[in-house]
Amino acid sequence: QSALTQPASVSGSPGQSITISCTGTSSDVGGYNYVSWYQQHPGKAPKLMIYDVSKRPSGDSNRFSGSKSGNTASLTISGLQAEDEADYYCSSYTSSTTLVFGGGTKLTVL
Amino acid sequence: EVQLLDSGGGLVQPGGSLRLSCAASGFTFASYAMSWVRQAPGKGLEWVSGIGNSGSTTFYADSVKGRFTISRDNSKNTLYLQMNSLRAEDTAVYYCAKGALQFHDYWGQGTLVTVSS
Repeated sequence: QSALTQPASVSGSPGQSITISCTGTSSDVGGYNYVSWYQQHPGKAPKLMIYDVSKRPSGDSNRFSGSKSGNTASLTISGLQAEDEADYYCSSYTSSTTLVFGGGTKLTVL
Repeated sequence: EVQLLDSGGGLVQPGGSLRLSCAASGFTFASYAMSWVRQAPGKGLEWVSGIGNSGSTTFYADSVKGRFTISRDNSKNTLYLQMNSLRAEDTAVYYCAKGALQFHDYWGQGTLVTVSS
């Protein structure tokens, strides 16, 4: 199972919005509404930000939103803040009854 | 408060074995599927294995199938990963995570496994 494709890096200024893409196939992202997104700061465990394509864990910031079109899922962060600077990973359930992650995207807040 | 405490990592020679443990608290462990996810130094996340809430259903990534075995003891609220025939490419921080194939809402702090002679 190949990793999902994410851009290696994205950047934005405080207050701006950015979008990170996550491209798979019809056997994973396109075939199921089981895409999730994780934030990971250096040296820390990942944190769930979005699950089931567009759902947010209770109590989490509404500046984070998710969507999907065809084989590509997207994470949008609005009103960028310095603390959003981190690595972001998408993941998806697959038709092989496994889970696959994206390669990760480093977000830099300028 | 949900807590997952990973342990059991260390230095092991190629071909050796190691068993990781994850002690869970703060939720009804027996009601939830669990997973192991690893991260090689400086690399991205890789899902390794998942197990259903009763332990009767298990799932593995191709990269570890036949070498690793996931199990759980619901009476002890503990998840395990038995790793055999270890290779250099298995070197990583191993995280236990709540959830199996859909999403992981809580993660342990990770335990480092180093495979080297």
